Amino acid sequence: GDSVTQMEGPVTLSEEAFLTINCTYTATGYPSLFWYVQYPGEGLQLLLKATKADDKGSNKGFEATYRKETTSFHLEKGSVQVSDSAVYFCALKRGNTPLVFGKGTRLSVIA
Amino acid sequence: EADIYQTPRYLVIGTGKKITLECSQTMGHDKMYWYQQDPGMELHLIHYSYGVNSTEKGDLSSESTVSRIRTEHFPLTLESARPSHTSQYLCASSLGLYRLEDNSPLHFGNGTRLTVT
Repeated sequence: GDSVTQMEGPVTLSEEAFLTINCTYTATGYPSLFWYVQYPGEGLQLLLKATKADDKGSNKGFEATYRKETTSFHLEKGSVQVSDSAVYFCALKRGNTPLVFGKGTRLSVIA
Repeated sequence: EADIYQTPRYLVIGTGKKITLECSQTMGHDKMYWYQQDPGMELHLIHYSYGVNSTEKGDLSSESTVSRIRTEHFPLTLESARPSHTSQYLCASSLGLYRLEDNSPLHFGNGTRLTVT
């Protein structure tokens, strides 16, 4: 079945460091790919998405490119802030089936 | 501002009690979901619904039930709470576009943190 694998955390970075969180997927057909973020004490919220190969999703300085040849959707940000500390989830969706989430990666950014 | 509401926010209850976790959304979304989030953050789909009178089981549903009598309301019931049910429960909804590819995003509530003693 469909699955998402993302790098295990926790990831700890200093403020203004470059961030990469790796995400790869296994799915038949052409899924849509998403990154969700969960801030402390809250539910998840959509960060960005890409619906077809070579699409780049971007939001709040975060970017991810849908790479079909490597089945990847890595999340990147050039300069992280303390306020980016959260748990990040990669997810895929195919047709009308429910989202399939990765296990989440906790990011801590220290000043 | 949240358009999907979960109550209670925190609940401590004894083993064997029956409990219902409430979830309501004001966005008119057709699709609704319940997830259990373990301490390691991983999300497990418990139940979902594609509309009124529609309910489907997810990966982790055997000890709970749901109902969808109204579009806006999707309560989750545990018939007999156990310590293994201690977890965070997240409700979500999405627009539910009726086409081949539904990429509408999920909107999550802030969760109910359940502790069973």
